Amino acid sequence: QVQLVQSGAEVKKPGASVKVSCKASGYTFTSYDINWVRQATGQGLEWMGWMNPNSGNTGHAQKFQGRVTMTRDTSISTAYMELSSLRSEDTAVYYCARAYGDYDYWGQGTLVTVSS
Amino acid sequence: DIQMTQSPSSLSASVGDRVTITCRASQGIRNDLAWYQQKPGKAPKRLIYAASSLQSGVPSRFSGSGSGTEFTLTISSLQPEDSATYYCLQHNNYPPITFGQGTRLEIK
Repeated sequence: QVQLVQSGAEVKKPGASVKVSCKASGYTFTSYDINWVRQATGQGLEWMGWMNPNSGNTGHAQKFQGRVTMTRDTSISTAYMELSSLRSEDTAVYYCARAYGDYDYWGQGTLVTVSS
Repeated sequence: DIQMTQSPSSLSASVGDRVTITCRASQGIRNDLAWYQQKPGKAPKRLIYAASSLQSGVPSRFSGSGSGTEFTLTISSLQPEDSATYYCLQHNNYPPITFGQGTRLEIK
């Protein structure tokens, strides 16, 4: 069965970076985009960006310009999202999702807490 | 970017009620719309895709309709386990993806 398993919770200081992983199984990793979505506590869903695991091509929402990097390691079917220059407003649960149009499978979420 | 306006932001209904949630797109998106249910501490779960196709395993009391700019999620007979937040998602011009603001559904 299709699964996306994300790395565990992180606590970071302002200005630091965080790298979240998303390991895919149960399907051909390079056949579907991986997207990243975040959700602050009590808030809605916010699209961050996309990656094509086959080509490595990526794109992201304008608000994350210069701060987000999406990569992959096809040998282990894993996608990564790195967010730099963290601030308190980046405290949120970060999700990866398999995209084929919309999202049919999601990771379990990774809580990133930014606190001094 | 296409904006999605979802309403209401919250509602309270009784078991057995018929409930309707609406999403309006700022421009036509054909049927490139999905509906998700999210319970606290969990990832969203897809209920409906392509505006009106029921995800496998989802109870038939959930249905979706609409095309173009106006879309509806209907729960025909509300059950206690339907207490959750519901989101629409449009993917017409992917990327980007756009979400509605969410509807918090409470069972009276």
